[in-house]
Amino acid sequence: GIQVEQSPPDLILQEGANSTLRCNFSDSVNNLQWFHQNPWGQLINLFYIPSGTKQNGRLSATTVATERYSLLYISSSQTTDSGVYFCAVERTGRRALTFGSGTRLQVQP
Amino acid sequence: ETGVTQSPTHLIKTRGQQVTLRCSSQSGHNTVSWYQQALGQGPQFIFQYYREEENGRGNVPPRFSGLQFPNYSSELNVNALELDDSALYLCASSLPSPGTDTQYFGPGTRLTVL
Repeated sequence: GIQVEQSPPDLILQEGANSTLRCNFSDSVNNLQWFHQNPWGQLINLFYIPSGTKQNGRLSATTVATERYSLLYISSSQTTDSGVYFCAVERTGRRALTFGSGTRLQVQP
Repeated sequence: ETGVTQSPTHLIKTRGQQVTLRCSSQSGHNTVSWYQQALGQGPQFIFQYYREEENGRGNVPPRFSGLQFPNYSSELNVNALELDDSALYLCASSLPSPGTDTQYFGPGTRLTVL
């Protein structure tokens, strides 16, 4: 099956810092989503981005499908950004999301 | 427009018992997927239902089964519970269409098997 690798596994930031999270995948995909999982387990959609660049406030994401990676940028981080960030992909022709192991982000005041 | 809801929130069962988890999809969504998330790991695909038919299944034993109803809500059933079935069970709904297949997740059911 498709492999999804996320880096770094853990990240500690001071409030106000910027960060870049990376997601590498091993096969062609027709769906790529970034999620934020809060401490209660809720997966919150951040971006649907199988290719291209999108921005939403302090967050932006870029997927380069031909090179099989995606980046999530967090600018001016806040303590509420803490949690686990997952990248998930759906391989072309399949109907299931495959998740990476996540990046655990802790933003300190 | 209501989001994806799941019930119950928490559940404690003992080994060998059976459990049923429920999911109501987001309004207008005809596809429901179920995922299992063990502690410290990413969610793993269980199966997907599209218009009441199973539309894909992950590497899970036959003890895991499901249903989708005409209103597109869904159930996940697990028989003969094992300790390793302890996990957060997540349901996601979507309305696949050209150019988008965003899956929206519910809050999950946390199952503990003793």
